[in-house]
Amino acid sequence: EVQLVESGGGLVQPGRSLKLSCAASGFTFSNYYMAWVRQAPKKGLEWVATISTSGSRTYYPDSVKGRFTISRDNAKSSLYLQMNSLKSEDTATYYCARQYYGYTGWGQGVMVTVSS
Amino acid sequence: DIQVTQSPSSLLASLGERVTITCQTSQSISNNLNWYQQKPGQAPMLLIYYATSLQTGMPSRFSGQYSGRSFTLTITSLEPEDIANYFCLQHYSAPNTFGAGTKLELK
Repeated sequence: EVQLVESGGGLVQPGRSLKLSCAASGFTFSNYYMAWVRQAPKKGLEWVATISTSGSRTYYPDSVKGRFTISRDNAKSSLYLQMNSLKSEDTATYYCARQYYGYTGWGQGVMVTVSS
Repeated sequence: DIQVTQSPSSLLASLGERVTITCQTSQSISNNLNWYQQKPGQAPMLLIYYATSLQTGMPSRFSGQYSGRSFTLTITSLEPEDIANYFCLQHYSAPNTFGAGTKLELK
């Protein structure tokens, strides 16, 4: 069974940084692209970042490009999201997801609140 | 980006009632659409993939259909455990884009 457990969320001031982590189990982590998806309060879901199996290719929407960095450690079956220069509009629940013809496994999410 | 328009945004239904939720895409995506169920405080769960295929372990009262750019999720007879949020996702082209979601509540 796919298990994804996010951590690292919290309250952070605008302009500061935060790093999210996701521990994966129940599948061969290194065989899958992985992604981060977020949901702002009372809003729909938004894709945030994707990383290839080896980590050599990463993809971002314009809304976070240059500020967020996705990375992975296949030896530890872990996914990361480094978020810099945070803005109030980054306030959301962030989900780690296994990407395979859509998202075929999700974590429960971690809340990030950007506020002074 | 492909736009996905989901309706209704909320739905009141009675136990045993047939429920239908729709997603319409801004361009043709063949059958590259998934449906997900999400209960409060829980991870989203894959319900239907490739528009019509029921995910292993999900109840057979859930089904998906599509015609052209219109996709429907149907619950044939609503059960209490079906009360949740439902959303669709197109994975035909990057970036993957989501419907806005439907909040299903008991009447």
